[in-house]
Amino acid sequence: DGGITQSPKYLFRKEGQNVTLSCEQNLNHDAMYWYRQDPGQGLRLIYYSQIVNDFQKGDIAEGYSVSREKKESFPLTVTSAQKNPTAFYLCASSMGHRSYNSPLHFGNGTRLTVT
Amino acid sequence: KNEVEQSPQNLTAQEGEFITINCSYSVGISALHWLQQHPGGGIVSLFMLSSGKKKHGRLIATINIQEKHSSLHITASHPRDSAVYICAVGGSQGNLIFGKGTKLSVKP
Repeated sequence: DGGITQSPKYLFRKEGQNVTLSCEQNLNHDAMYWYRQDPGQGLRLIYYSQIVNDFQKGDIAEGYSVSREKKESFPLTVTSAQKNPTAFYLCASSMGHRSYNSPLHFGNGTRLTVT
Repeated sequence: KNEVEQSPQNLTAQEGEFITINCSYSVGISALHWLQQHPGGGIVSLFMLSSGKKKHGRLIATINIQEKHSSLHITASHPRDSAVYICAVGGSQGNLIFGKGTKLSVKP
């Protein structure tokens, strides 16, 4: 079955360490997205990519970095520059190049805790 | 003011009840999405609509573009419907703007 796989489900890191969250899709979707979810808030866009080797900053990109070397993969690195990294991170993909005109497919998320 | 407002924030229902969740938005949109997030955190897309009404099983979504309002209805609710329901709209920047979600709990 096609889908999006995020790993790991839970991740613990010490403050000051960079950490990379994995996101892989086998849906053959062009567009991929990273969202952050905090309690009581709507999802916020961190980065998105519409095509291999290209990506754009979202609303809260500071302290994060991404790469899109393969169509299937869109890893997110949370750097030590991110002031409040503890959150639930969701990866998504869509067939279209704009997230509003194609159904989104989400992974199951990675819960990152930084102490 | 948030660009996407959902109501209610929390909703508790008895099994079998008819449920309505509302979403109002202030931006011009091309499409509106309804999503379901289960306690484990994974999100499933329920509907994407730009006009009228869509139905899938016990779920019905409607949208009124003139009033900038959408509703998600669940008929004959069941405990397995317990989840957070999220409304998202396509904003002018080309990306989605998400509501904060409505937490639904259906009691047996």
